[in-house]
Amino acid sequence: EPEVTQTPSHQVTQMGQEVILRCVPISNHLYFYWYRQILGQKVEFLVSFYNNEISEKSEIFDDQFSVERPDGSNFTLKIRSTKLEDSAMYFCASSVDVAGGKTQYFGPGTRLLVL
Amino acid sequence: SQELEQSPQSLIVQEGKNLTINCTSSKTLYGLYWYKQKYGEGLIFLMMLQKGGEEKSHEKITAKLDEKKQQSSLHITASQPSHAGIYLCGADRSGSARQLTFGSGTQLTVLP
Repeated sequence: EPEVTQTPSHQVTQMGQEVILRCVPISNHLYFYWYRQILGQKVEFLVSFYNNEISEKSEIFDDQFSVERPDGSNFTLKIRSTKLEDSAMYFCASSVDVAGGKTQYFGPGTRLLVL
Repeated sequence: SQELEQSPQSLIVQEGKNLTINCTSSKTLYGLYWYKQKYGEGLIFLMMLQKGGEEKSHEKITAKLDEKKQQSSLHITASQPSHAGIYLCGADRSGSARQLTFGSGTQLTVLP
């Protein structure tokens, strides 16, 4: 069964460093998403991406964040200058196949720790 | 912003018992998604409900959406240790399902 994959599973970085989180969405999906979950808190929407541009974004997704689909399979989230409060589990998701199914399927997550 | 309230926050049941988890919204929803999360892992899709009064079942799990589309329940019959985890409801507020708002989750423990 197709699934969303994410790399790395864990990332430790120093405050102020740039990180790139990578995702491979389900191959026939058209919409891609990033969510985050700070430890002990709710899963929060960051951004949705369609047709090589941002479709929607939350107030969390400020200028420090960017997303890109560099090729036909990968979808990345870049945090330019990490802050302590960026420590969280980051989930990638994808949805909408050619039949129009709206369900978002999530990857296993990348746990980011900013020191 | 529209909040989703989940109850209970945590639930401990004996194996074989039935249980219900609730998810309530202050506003009408376009869609309601149930996911299961094991601690520190990804979200596994369980069921999606879109129509008022809709009910779906998969194996021993049944989800319902009320007629007003503001409240959903997830019912597990004859619970097993494999049902343990965190159950999350996610709301589609716009109809596009491109931005889900999640509840705080219900931590389920099933004692063997």
